Amino acid sequence: EVQLVESGGGLVKPGGSLRLSCAASRFTFSNAWMSWVRQAPGKGLEWVGRIKSKTDGGTTDYAAPVKGRFTISRDDSKNTLYLQMNSLKTEDTAVYYCTTTSHGSFHYWGQGTLVTVSS
Amino acid sequence: SYELTQPPSVPVSPGQTASITCSGDKLGDKYACWYQQKPGQSPVLVIYEDTKRPSGIPERFSGSNSGNTATLTISGTQAMDEADYYCQAWDSSTVVFGGGTKLTVL
Repeated sequence: EVQLVESGGGLVKPGGSLRLSCAASRFTFSNAWMSWVRQAPGKGLEWVGRIKSKTDGGTTDYAAPVKGRFTISRDDSKNTLYLQMNSLKTEDTAVYYCTTTSHGSFHYWGQGTLVTVSS
Repeated sequence: SYELTQPPSVPVSPGQTASITCSGDKLGDKYACWYQQKPGQSPVLVIYEDTKRPSGIPERFSGSNSGNTATLTISGTQAMDEADYYCQAWDSSTVVFGGGTKLTVL
């Protein structure tokens, strides 16, 4: 069974930075397109961004609210996905999920990691 | 920007059929998928590419997509199906989620 384990969440002040990690196992990570999806407390799902596999170009796309502030990267040698978050705002407070992306859908999800942006 | 609209809540009696709609401009020209999320849990994909069920998803879950509306249908609804359901589609290179529908099994 595919396993995705997020880490790195926590409390950060507005304007600060945080890097989330997602350790992947039990599938061929290097071939996978991966995404981050977040969910603010009591709210719905919101896509953050996606990174393609290196064989498909390794390019990234981002949602408008995070473009220019967040960066998705991957280390296929470590089977790990990253989300670098800079210039954090209070509205970035959410549970952040790592997901596999195929057929236009998010098939497997991690358990999520909570990011709280507050002074 | 592209938007997907879902009803906030849908009630259903046990054993009956529940239909949850998702509306968007020319949504039928895109692929729609659906997620189930129970309290305190991560979302689970229940339908992708309009009509396909991932392995492990019961046959009572089905989907359709035509015109401006995608529909998730749950036949013979069970108490365990009570959850929030989200539709999702791609618009250009970005993802859009619907606002979510709370399915209540009365």
